[in-house]
Amino acid sequence: DADVTQTPRNRITKTGKRIMLECSQTKGHDRMYWYRQDPGLGLRLIYYSFDVKDINKGEISDGYSVSRQAQAKFSLSLESAIPNQTALYFCATSANSRGNTGELFFGEGSRLTVL
Amino acid sequence: KNQVEQSPQSLIILEGKNCTLQCNYTVSPFSNLRWYKQDTGRGPVSLTIMTFSENTKSNGRYTATLDADTKQSSLHITASQLSDSASYICVVTQKGGSYIPTFGRGTSLIVHP
Repeated sequence: DADVTQTPRNRITKTGKRIMLECSQTKGHDRMYWYRQDPGLGLRLIYYSFDVKDINKGEISDGYSVSRQAQAKFSLSLESAIPNQTALYFCATSANSRGNTGELFFGEGSRLTVL
Repeated sequence: KNQVEQSPQSLIILEGKNCTLQCNYTVSPFSNLRWYKQDTGRGPVSLTIMTFSENTKSNGRYTATLDADTKQSSLHITASQLSDSASYICVVTQKGGSYIPTFGRGTSLIVHP
């Protein structure tokens, strides 16, 4: 089983619909992240969380919200999806600051298409 | 603002040939630099980490270099294979603070038979 699991892997939806992408991890890491990847733009940080009660905005948080339900779970929501949110979304984890060398462990990605 | 610039944006080579990918960064103070490999449709996976005191590090056919004075790194791939076709992403982490890494946009490498 993968250490970082994302669901769903693929989703097609319509403009205005609410969408939730879920991420769970078995690595025991405190830190979790949501990234978005678009062709030519690389990976951009949407939100990150260093602990269950900690939520931080990344560089492109508008239109998104997150929930850290437990240490192992971090979900990303699009309250009202729009076509320019069509992208490949990645969840990632890393160790806490004491043992952190910066390595991120990524899930397999969730491809979202908004029509 | 912390930035990571990679070149070239894309590269096509023949199987068996060598290639070198470049990464320039402005992240300061510097903690470490990682090269990730991302196969199409998959999540990135770390290839190697470079810290301030390291100049060269190898991982099989991959060799990374770091010049902390000029803030440049390179990833050299020797005797390329078809499985090397992927995107290679340079990621630099700042020392102190929140340790949020800064990503380059990646170099897309295609290896043709």
